[in-house]
Amino acid sequence: NAGVTQTPKFRVLKTGQSMTLLCAQDMNHEYMYWYRQDPGMGLRLIHYSVGEGTTAKGEVPDGYNVSRLKKQNFLLGLESAAPSQTSVYFCATCAFTYEQYFGPGTRLTVT
Amino acid sequence: AQSVAQPEDQVNVAEGNPLTVKCTYSVSGNPYLFWYVQYPNRGLQFLLKYITGDNLVKGSYGFEAEFNKSQTSFHLKKPSALVSDSALYFCAVREGSARQLTFGSGTQLTVLP
Repeated sequence: NAGVTQTPKFRVLKTGQSMTLLCAQDMNHEYMYWYRQDPGMGLRLIHYSVGEGTTAKGEVPDGYNVSRLKKQNFLLGLESAAPSQTSVYFCATCAFTYEQYFGPGTRLTVT
Repeated sequence: AQSVAQPEDQVNVAEGNPLTVKCTYSVSGNPYLFWYVQYPNRGLQFLLKYITGDNLVKGSYGFEAEFNKSQTSFHLKKPSALVSDSALYFCAVREGSARQLTFGSGTQLTVLP
């Protein structure tokens, strides 16, 4: 089993460009999350989903959109990238026993 | 809102010595508490959790954590540190009904040979 995978691993964008980050899981978990990690700030929740076709805002949703068309995939979109969105992005799923499983991350730089 | 605090940005310990990484929390209701570890350029890995039951929780790689309700703490411990334990450690608390987590700011543990 691959667990939780993320593509791409690295990306450099210019201000104003758009992109989509893909998260895929083969764990059959209902709950999925997108976090961003910035130095000294831990992980902050961007958006989350409790099942196929549902999404909700987290702590820092501005500038991001998400979609969960299939249970196994959770997409994070940046419509118009800004330098403040330079970060490492992590996707995670949650087991019914409450522990979360994380992908390897996507390192995004916006210039 | 729930919150967790990790008061130490950096903890250094000699190999073979016991280690403690501190975490305090603030929640309404019963806390669901977690520890995760992050190695360089990797995602977070689950170490252990407290939901209910014994206050001393055992987890992966020889780690354990003690839940203290009166002090609202959930400190991570290991009796004998290894150099390979050097990593970034995060404490987290369940935030809502969708099992969201609120994370502390992280503690960099360095085990010196």
